[in-house]
Amino acid sequence: DIQMTQSPSTLSASVGDRVTITCRASQSISSWLAWYQQKPGKAPKLLIYKASTLESGVPSRFSGSGSGTDFTLTISSLQPDDFATYYCQQYSSFSRTFGQGTRVEIK
Amino acid sequence: QLQLQESGPGLVKPSETLSLTCTVSGDSVSRSGYYWGWIRQPPGKGLEWIGSIYYSGSTYYNASLKSRVIMSVDTSKNQFSLKLTSVTASDTAVYYCARHIRDTFGVAGFWGQGTMVTVSS
Repeated sequence: DIQMTQSPSTLSASVGDRVTITCRASQSISSWLAWYQQKPGKAPKLLIYKASTLESGVPSRFSGSGSGTDFTLTISSLQPDDFATYYCQQYSSFSRTFGQGTRVEIK
Repeated sequence: QLQLQESGPGLVKPSETLSLTCTVSGDSVSRSGYYWGWIRQPPGKGLEWIGSIYYSGSTYYNASLKSRVIMSVDTSKNQFSLKLTSVTASDTAVYYCARHIRDTFGVAGFWGQGTMVTVSS
Protein backbone atom coordinates (compact mmCIF):
# COMPACT_ATOMS: atom_id res chain seq x y z
CA ASP A 1 0.00 0.00 0.00
CA ILE A 2 1.08 3.59 -0.56
CA GLN A 3 1.68 5.30 2.78
CA MET A 4 0.53 8.88 3.25
CA THR A 5 2.22 11.01 5.91
CA GLN A 6 0.84 14.36 6.98
CA SER A 7 2.62 17.08 8.92
CA PRO A 8 2.15 18.52 11.34
CA SER A 9 -0.20 16.31 13.33
CA THR A 10 -1.55 19.34 15.16
CA LEU A 11 -1.35 22.97 14.19
CA SER A 12 -2.27 25.93 16.39
CA ALA A 13 -3.28 29.06 14.51
CA SER A 14 -5.29 32.25 14.80
CA VAL A 15 -8.12 33.61 12.69
CA GLY A 16 -6.61 35.34 9.68
CA ASP A 17 -3.44 33.23 9.63
CA ARG A 18 -2.15 31.58 6.50
CA VAL A 19 -2.02 27.85 7.18
CA THR A 20 -0.16 25.14 5.27
CA ILE A 21 -0.52 21.39 5.75
CA THR A 22 1.84 18.97 4.07
CA CYS A 23 1.15 15.46 2.78
CA ARG A 24 3.87 13.13 1.54
CA ALA A 25 3.34 9.89 -0.37
CA SER A 26 5.67 6.90 -0.03
CA GLN A 27 5.87 6.72 -3.83
CA SER A 28 4.81 8.89 -6.72
CA ILE A 29 1.06 9.34 -7.08
CA SER A 30 1.17 11.92 -9.88
CA SER A 31 -1.66 14.34 -9.01
CA TRP A 32 -4.07 11.73 -7.68
CA LEU A 33 -4.58 13.35 -4.31
CA ALA A 34 -7.66 14.58 -2.46
CA TRP A 35 -8.10 16.67 0.67
CA TYR A 36 -10.97 16.44 3.16
CA GLN A 37 -12.11 18.49 6.14
CA GLN A 38 -13.79 16.83 9.12
CA LYS A 39 -15.43 18.46 12.11
CA PRO A 40 -16.15 16.55 15.34
CA GLY A 41 -19.08 14.18 15.04
CA LYS A 42 -19.57 14.93 11.36
CA ALA A 43 -18.78 13.17 8.11
CA PRO A 44 -15.76 14.42 6.22
CA LYS A 45 -16.23 16.94 3.42
CA LEU A 46 -14.30 16.82 0.17
CA LEU A 47 -12.35 20.02 -0.42
CA ILE A 48 -9.94 19.33 -3.26
CA TYR A 49 -9.24 16.52 -5.73
CA LYS A 50 -6.60 15.94 -8.37
CA ALA A 51 -4.24 17.83 -6.07
CA SER A 52 -5.52 21.29 -6.92
CA THR A 53 -9.12 21.14 -8.21
CA LEU A 54 -11.51 22.83 -5.80
CA GLU A 55 -14.72 20.91 -5.19
CA SER A 56 -17.87 22.87 -6.01
CA GLY A 57 -18.96 25.16 -3.18
CA VAL A 58 -15.62 25.14 -1.35
CA PRO A 59 -14.36 28.65 -0.48
CA SER A 60 -11.50 29.96 -2.59
CA ARG A 61 -9.32 30.49 0.49
CA PHE A 62 -8.58 26.77 0.22
CA SER A 63 -6.01 25.72 -2.34
CA GLY A 64 -3.96 22.64 -3.07
CA SER A 65 -0.68 22.10 -4.86
CA GLY A 66 1.95 19.49 -5.56
CA SER A 67 2.59 16.42 -7.65
CA GLY A 68 4.61 13.25 -7.39
CA THR A 69 5.17 12.68 -3.67
CA ASP A 70 4.81 16.08 -2.02
CA PHE A 71 1.59 18.02 -1.64
CA THR A 72 0.25 20.97 0.33
CA LEU A 73 -3.13 22.26 1.42
CA THR A 74 -3.17 25.99 2.07
CA ILE A 75 -5.81 28.09 3.78
CA SER A 76 -5.01 31.66 2.83
CA SER A 77 -6.82 33.33 5.72
CA LEU A 78 -8.06 31.02 8.46
CA GLN A 79 -11.71 31.51 9.38
CA PRO A 80 -13.51 30.34 12.54
CA ASP A 81 -15.32 27.66 10.51
CA ASP A 82 -11.98 26.17 9.42
CA PHE A 83 -10.94 24.75 12.79
CA ALA A 84 -11.18 21.05 12.04
CA THR A 85 -9.15 17.98 11.12
CA TYR A 86 -7.82 17.68 7.57
CA TYR A 87 -7.00 14.44 5.75
CA CYS A 88 -5.21 13.77 2.50
CA GLN A 89 -6.00 10.68 0.41
CA GLN A 90 -4.22 9.12 -2.51
CA TYR A 91 -6.13 7.47 -5.33
CA SER A 92 -3.25 6.40 -7.51
CA SER A 93 -3.07 2.78 -6.37
CA PHE A 94 -6.05 0.45 -6.35
CA SER A 95 -6.00 0.46 -2.56
CA ARG A 96 -6.87 4.02 -1.63
CA THR A 97 -5.18 5.29 1.53
CA PHE A 98 -5.51 8.30 3.80
CA GLY A 99 -3.02 10.31 5.79
CA GLN A 100 -3.33 10.22 9.57
CA GLY A 101 -4.88 13.69 9.75
CA THR A 102 -3.87 17.19 10.80
CA ARG A 103 -5.85 18.91 13.51
CA VAL A 104 -6.08 22.68 13.17
CA GLU A 105 -6.84 24.21 16.55
CA ILE A 106 -7.33 27.69 17.90
CA LYS A 107 -4.17 29.34 19.17
CA GLN B 1 -31.27 16.75 -2.99
CA LEU B 2 -28.88 13.84 -2.59
CA GLN B 3 -29.11 11.92 0.66
CA LEU B 4 -27.36 8.75 1.75
CA GLN B 5 -28.53 6.86 4.82
CA GLU B 6 -26.66 3.98 6.43
CA SER B 7 -28.63 1.32 8.27
CA GLY B 8 -27.83 -1.88 10.10
CA PRO B 9 -27.11 -3.33 13.54
CA GLY B 10 -25.13 -1.15 15.90
CA LEU B 11 -23.74 -4.14 17.77
CA VAL B 12 -22.15 -7.23 16.24
CA LYS B 13 -20.59 -10.16 18.05
CA PRO B 14 -16.97 -11.15 17.40
CA SER B 15 -16.53 -13.67 14.57
CA GLU B 16 -19.93 -12.78 13.11
CA THR B 17 -20.73 -10.78 9.96
CA LEU B 18 -21.30 -7.04 9.94
CA SER B 19 -24.00 -6.05 7.45
CA LEU B 20 -24.83 -2.50 6.46
CA THR B 21 -27.03 -0.97 3.78
CA CYS B 22 -26.88 2.49 2.26
CA THR B 23 -30.13 3.86 0.88
CA VAL B 24 -29.74 6.57 -1.72
CA SER B 25 -32.30 9.27 -2.44
CA GLY B 26 -32.01 12.17 -4.82
CA ASP B 27 -29.83 10.22 -7.24
CA SER B 28 -29.68 6.79 -8.84
CA VAL B 29 -27.06 4.19 -7.99
CA SER B 30 -27.33 3.27 -11.67
CA ARG B 31 -26.12 6.67 -12.85
CA SER B 32 -23.32 6.17 -15.34
CA GLY B 33 -19.90 7.30 -14.20
CA TYR B 34 -20.43 7.20 -10.45
CA TYR B 35 -19.07 4.72 -7.97
CA TRP B 36 -20.49 4.18 -4.51
CA GLY B 37 -18.57 3.00 -1.50
CA TRP B 38 -17.78 2.61 2.16
CA ILE B 39 -15.23 4.30 4.45
CA ARG B 40 -14.82 3.71 8.15
CA GLN B 41 -13.31 5.52 11.10
CA PRO B 42 -12.45 3.82 14.42
CA PRO B 43 -13.19 5.98 17.48
CA GLY B 44 -10.65 8.78 17.77
CA LYS B 45 -8.70 7.58 14.75
CA GLY B 46 -8.33 8.30 11.05
CA LEU B 47 -10.19 7.26 7.93
CA GLU B 48 -9.94 3.92 6.14
CA TRP B 49 -11.33 3.25 2.67
CA ILE B 50 -13.11 -0.12 2.62
CA GLY B 51 -14.22 -0.45 -0.97
CA SER B 52 -16.23 0.83 -3.90
CA ILE B 53 -18.85 -0.58 -6.26
CA TYR B 54 -20.29 0.38 -9.64
CA TYR B 55 -23.90 -0.30 -10.62
CA SER B 56 -22.69 -3.02 -12.97
CA GLY B 57 -21.38 -4.88 -9.93
CA SER B 58 -17.70 -4.13 -10.46
CA THR B 59 -15.93 -3.82 -7.13
CA TYR B 60 -12.67 -2.54 -5.74
CA TYR B 61 -11.65 -3.46 -2.19
CA ASN B 62 -8.98 -2.37 0.26
CA ALA B 63 -6.26 -4.98 -0.03
CA SER B 64 -6.04 -5.37 3.75
CA LEU B 65 -9.78 -6.17 4.03
CA LYS B 66 -10.36 -7.90 0.71
CA SER B 67 -10.63 -11.42 2.12
CA ARG B 68 -13.49 -10.35 4.43
CA VAL B 69 -15.43 -7.78 2.37
CA ILE B 70 -18.38 -8.29 0.07
CA MET B 71 -20.17 -5.35 -1.50
CA SER B 72 -23.32 -5.51 -3.57
CA VAL B 73 -25.75 -3.15 -5.25
CA ASP B 74 -29.54 -3.38 -5.61
CA THR B 75 -30.61 -1.01 -8.35
CA SER B 76 -34.31 -1.80 -7.86
CA LYS B 77 -34.14 -0.49 -4.28
CA ASN B 78 -31.53 2.19 -5.05
CA GLN B 79 -29.29 0.72 -2.36
CA PHE B 80 -25.83 -0.72 -1.97
CA SER B 81 -24.55 -2.90 0.83
CA LEU B 82 -21.49 -3.95 2.77
CA LYS B 83 -20.77 -7.26 4.45
CA LEU B 84 -17.66 -7.69 6.57
CA THR B 85 -17.10 -11.22 7.81
CA SER B 86 -15.29 -12.59 10.86
CA VAL B 87 -15.31 -9.27 12.69
CA THR B 88 -13.13 -8.47 15.69
CA ALA B 89 -12.97 -5.55 18.09
CA SER B 90 -10.70 -3.73 15.64
CA ASP B 91 -13.66 -3.46 13.26
CA THR B 92 -15.44 -1.19 15.72
CA ALA B 93 -15.89 2.09 13.88
CA VAL B 94 -18.21 4.65 12.38
CA TYR B 95 -19.07 3.36 8.92
CA TYR B 96 -19.84 5.92 6.21
CA CYS B 97 -21.35 5.29 2.82
CA ALA B 98 -20.57 7.74 0.06
CA ARG B 99 -20.99 8.64 -3.58
CA HIS B 100 -17.64 9.05 -5.26
CA ILE B 101 -16.69 11.79 -7.64
CA ARG B 102 -17.35 11.13 -11.29
CA ASP B 103 -15.29 8.49 -13.08
CA THR B 104 -13.15 7.81 -10.01
CA PHE B 105 -13.60 5.26 -7.25
CA GLY B 106 -12.52 5.91 -3.69
CA VAL B 107 -12.78 9.71 -3.63
CA ALA B 108 -15.92 10.46 -1.66
CA GLY B 109 -17.68 13.57 -2.88
CA PHE B 110 -20.87 13.12 -0.90
CA TRP B 111 -21.19 11.28 2.43
CA GLY B 112 -23.88 9.76 4.58
CA GLN B 113 -23.99 10.79 8.22
CA GLY B 114 -22.33 7.57 9.34
CA THR B 115 -23.40 4.75 11.62
CA MET B 116 -21.50 3.48 14.65
CA VAL B 117 -20.89 -0.26 14.76
CA THR B 118 -19.47 -1.85 17.88
CA VAL B 119 -18.03 -5.36 17.88
CA SER B 120 -18.48 -6.88 21.30
CA SER B 121 -19.88 -9.98 22.92
